[in-house]
Amino acid sequence: TQLLEQSPQFLSIQEGENLTVYCNSSSVFSSLQWYRQEPGEGPVLLVTVVTGGEVKKLKRLTFQFGDARKDSSLHITAAQPGDTGLYLCAGLTGTASKLTFGTGTRLQVTL
Amino acid sequence: GAGVSQSPRYKVAKRGQDVALRCDPISGHVSLFWYQQALGQGPEFLTYFQNEAQLDKSGLPSDRFFAERPEGSVSTLKIQRTQQEDSAVYLCASSLVRELRYEQYFGPGTRLTVT
Repeated sequence: TQLLEQSPQFLSIQEGENLTVYCNSSSVFSSLQWYRQEPGEGPVLLVTVVTGGEVKKLKRLTFQFGDARKDSSLHITAAQPGDTGLYLCAGLTGTASKLTFGTGTRLQVTL
Repeated sequence: GAGVSQSPRYKVAKRGQDVALRCDPISGHVSLFWYQQALGQGPEFLTYFQNEAQLDKSGLPSDRFFAERPEGSVSTLKIQRTQQEDSAVYLCASSLVRELRYEQYFGPGTRLTVT
């Protein structure tokens, strides 16, 4: 059972468009990570957010951790074909020894 | 340097066969994790090692699943009497430090198909 729901599940956009992916839970996380996974590969970490309300930017990607540390968003500006992949959020609770991954958002950016 | 490697990359097993999946973590990494990823889904936690100690195996779906890391380096995930529902990609990840909010480095996974 995955406690982190991502939306949308699938997103197909054209190069240059903006998009936002959401990651929601009823649980509080001590930190939250975003990963990108390409076919045939393992997930690669993009960012870790720790503080409620925290905003981090990675080039054209902006990550926000909700004030209550239950949700997060990933915004991509001017998407490029190289952004294509499966985006996964993953939360860590203070008392658990494992990451809980979200359901995933598959993004396709076409020319 | 070398990343996390997993072997085999692909495995086809007939229902009822036993399989063994290997993970070579990054040298010196203390923590090692196994995840199961169904098609189109996010990975789900199976088990966690700190050095040779298996600290959490709460995600193993049944007693047919067994993992070990006897010398605190290479790990093996064994599945006995495979069933069709075991078909998935099995991911291994390692981390340098004990604190789990630090980065986990993932291997490419082993895709298991049970026929």
